[in-house]
Amino acid sequence: DIQITQSPSSLSAAIGDRVTITCRTSQSISTYLNWYQQKPGKAPQLLIYLASNSQTGVPSRFSGSGSGTDFTLTIDNLQPEDFATYYCQQSYSVPQTFGQGSRLDI
Amino acid sequence: QAQLQESGPGQVRPSETLSLTCTVSGDTMLGYYWTWIRQPPGRGLEWIGYEYYGGGGSSYNPSLKSRVTISVDTSEKQVSLKLTSVTATDSAVYYCARLDTAHYAMDVWGEGITVTVSS
Repeated sequence: DIQITQSPSSLSAAIGDRVTITCRTSQSISTYLNWYQQKPGKAPQLLIYLASNSQTGVPSRFSGSGSGTDFTLTIDNLQPEDFATYYCQQSYSVPQTFGQGSRLDI
Repeated sequence: QAQLQESGPGQVRPSETLSLTCTVSGDTMLGYYWTWIRQPPGRGLEWIGYEYYGGGGSSYNPSLKSRVTISVDTSEKQVSLKLTSVTATDSAVYYCARLDTAHYAMDVWGEGITVTVSS
């Protein structure tokens, strides 16, 4: 199985801040890395697919980068609705695996 | 726009079989992998497995492989999950999701269903 180390596990930020979340995989996965946002009591929603491509309807303040084993999700100009938990997921091989999650608080 | 809705019992007794159904509406099932994911209370996401729309393309998490079966019924537009010999550690919110083979990502999710294993 491909292991994913996601960091930080939690972070605090303010409206208007820029935050970065990282995922490192145990082996190279090219760009088969996706990012999801989950709010309490809700299903995850796809933000970024194949490392750097924004899902339709996702605000432009969300961006992703990376390839190989190191990946980053950046959120610019934090908005109140961005406070949530973020997960990365590799779709390079089965079993598909998720990072442990990063909880973003005010 | 595709919508997914999970259904099934909210409580299952230990050692019995958990059976859930995901009903697809608003779009075709063709060309997608239909996936189940679960999330224990207060914890992260765990990939259970998927099945291709036409069958014959299943893959399961090795941690569950001996107990899990996912099947797709395109005529009824349903995806089913069966998990045998459940224990308390199988208590979780269960989600079905659609894996888009163009983007290799789960672009549509159901709202989830909470299943508790308890006698």
